[in-house]
Amino acid sequence: AQSVTQLGSHVSVSEGALVLLRCNYSSSVPPYLFWYVQYPNQGLQLLLKYTSAATLVKGINGFEAEFKKSETSFHLTKPSAHMSDAAEYFCAVKDGDTGRRALTFGSGTRLQVQP
Amino acid sequence: DVKVTQSSRYLVKRTGEKVFLECVQDMDHENMFWYRQDPGLGLRLIYFSYDVKMKEKGDIPEGYSVSREKKERFSLILESASTNQTSMYLCASSSNSFRLGYEQYFGPGTRLTVT
Repeated sequence: AQSVTQLGSHVSVSEGALVLLRCNYSSSVPPYLFWYVQYPNQGLQLLLKYTSAATLVKGINGFEAEFKKSETSFHLTKPSAHMSDAAEYFCAVKDGDTGRRALTFGSGTRLQVQP
Repeated sequence: DVKVTQSSRYLVKRTGEKVFLECVQDMDHENMFWYRQDPGLGLRLIYFSYDVKMKEKGDIPEGYSVSREKKERFSLILESASTNQTSMYLCASSSNSFRLGYEQYFGPGTRLTVT
């Protein structure tokens, strides 16, 4: 069965500092991996996705994530945090092409950006 | 621009009432999903549908039912609302296309309070 672990339910960084949000997954077949962002009182918006092409994936708003098969990780990074990055971030996994159609989500990481 | 809409942003219902949450997508997607979101638990799948009149139980279907009479519309029904169903409900849709990477598109959510 798929599972997703996000280390740290809350992360706080200073404006301009590196953002690192951690995600580890388990999947029995090569996975599809996603990062979503949720701003207050809104639905989820896709930041980026890994679909077995390049292992370093670039997304919107300056975010990127690296798929590391040996570590079963898909950590999200941004070199320089901006106040507007404050939101909740969710990592999600889908088992390959033959797995269940729904995504399995982590429990989320709330990012605070201090001025 | 792709769009998933939900019938209400905020809803307050009494214990025992029958509650209908409606979701409409305009992307001609085959798959539609209902999740509930609770703090610290991430998103949990209630039900999904992969075609008109077809449905499958997700991880937490108890107390819920669904209906999909048209491809673009997916309804979540709480037969007899209870206070432990107070939550944020998110609808999503996705294509079966490998080329599109199976990403899910989300509606803005319905915050349901059962008193």
